[in-house]
Amino acid sequence: DSGVTQTPKHLITATGQRVTLRCSPRSGDLSVYWYQQSLDQGLQFLIQYYNGEERAKGNILERFSAQQFPDLHSELNLSSLELGDSALYFCASSVAVIDYEQYFGPGTRLTVT
Amino acid sequence: TQLLEQSPQFLSIQEGENLTVYCNSSSVFSSLQWYRQEPGEGPVLLVTVVTGGEVKKLKRLTFQFGDARKDSSLHITAAQPGDTGLYLCAGPNLPQGIQGAQKLVFGQGTRLTINP
Repeated sequence: DSGVTQTPKHLITATGQRVTLRCSPRSGDLSVYWYQQSLDQGLQFLIQYYNGEERAKGNILERFSAQQFPDLHSELNLSSLELGDSALYFCASSVAVIDYEQYFGPGTRLTVT
Repeated sequence: TQLLEQSPQFLSIQEGENLTVYCNSSSVFSSLQWYRQEPGEGPVLLVTVVTGGEVKKLKRLTFQFGDARKDSSLHITAAQPGDTGLYLCAGPNLPQGIQGAQKLVFGQGTRLTINP
């Protein structure tokens, strides 16, 4: 158990819909990272927040957005969903804004039908 | 973007055998991490190597960082079924992002199966 929690575990929704994925980092960690993992693309970095502020962006689509709240939990919002958005979405956390070592949550499996 | 290539992509061996998997790049990395991911779970950090030539051991797992810090290897001695999983290498993607943040880039992974 990494100490990072993610909800829900599974999510099935239709194309065009909007969903919100939630992540609580390990106690004491200020950085939260979001990743997408698909069979063909592997694990891709989406976005990082540190203590409530966006710090780095990766291959995140404009239809996707995230935020980190004062209690440090984070939410990833996915809208206008397409079939290709079906993937595992992982949240990770670390102590510092620049941290080589990240601790991953169990992931949310999103299926878009 | 710095790329990490892992080989082999798939490896299936018998319990008790030894194996080595590789993580290569044409770019220099300030550090490399190795993670193991089991089906339905998130990646779990195994080790971080920082210095060129560094060797780290974790029970039957030996990790080595290349002298030029462009490659790394993971050697498993006397593999056991519990070693089955997806092994991922990862490293910071330079240059640094806004305000000093660093993105982590992952290799595609080696999917290892140890048969009893």
